Amino acid sequence: DVKVTQSSRYLVKRTGEKVFLECVQDMDHENMFWYRQDPGLGLRLIYFSYDVKMKEKGDIPEGYSVSREKKERFSLILESASTNQTSMYLCASSFGQGVYYEQYFGPGTRLTVT
Amino acid sequence: AQKITQTQPGMFVQEKEAVTLDCTYDTSDPSYGLFWYKQPSSGEMIFLIYQGSYDQQNATEGRYSLNFQKARKSANLVISASQLGDSAMYFCAMRETPRSQAGTALIFGKGTTLSVSS
Repeated sequence: DVKVTQSSRYLVKRTGEKVFLECVQDMDHENMFWYRQDPGLGLRLIYFSYDVKMKEKGDIPEGYSVSREKKERFSLILESASTNQTSMYLCASSFGQGVYYEQYFGPGTRLTVT
Repeated sequence: AQKITQTQPGMFVQEKEAVTLDCTYDTSDPSYGLFWYKQPSSGEMIFLIYQGSYDQQNATEGRYSLNFQKARKSANLVISASQLGDSAMYFCAMRETPRSQAGTALIFGKGTTLSVSS
């Protein structure tokens, strides 16, 4: 079974803090993704990575950065957390570039910024 | 313009009845994939079913089937014989043909909350 794990299920941070969300997958997938999920807005793509050290901006990259130093690990970084970044963050991975490859999701991190 | 549109914020169904969750999509690619995911209250995203744009037959997986109407650009999820455990949020998603080595991510709709009552 593919497993995608995220470092925390729940996280509370203060405004201005630097926040790291970690994601690890164990199936040697090439692609990894970070989404945020907000009520009424569905899942919106923040960044994705298609190879080590390679990244692409998604629809809402502002205020975020990412790091992929190893194939299995993809980190989302909030350089200076703000209250409007309070959200559910979902990490996902997939194998290849074909349109038929499903994405496997982690359990999510619910981040609250106060 | 939205790529994936789910027009039903909420749906209600009784146990053992069938329910259809609507999804329309917008793409000019000839090759694309359509996916449905289920998200229970626990938060995990569970893959349900996949339909490729070139697939001749509608996809089925157990009680789930996808009513794929290519000309209308719709990919509705049909759940037969609903169960209480089907209560969850359901997302329709699409992957388009990659334009570069970077590939593409799934594009999601806003979701439909399904409530199943006894």
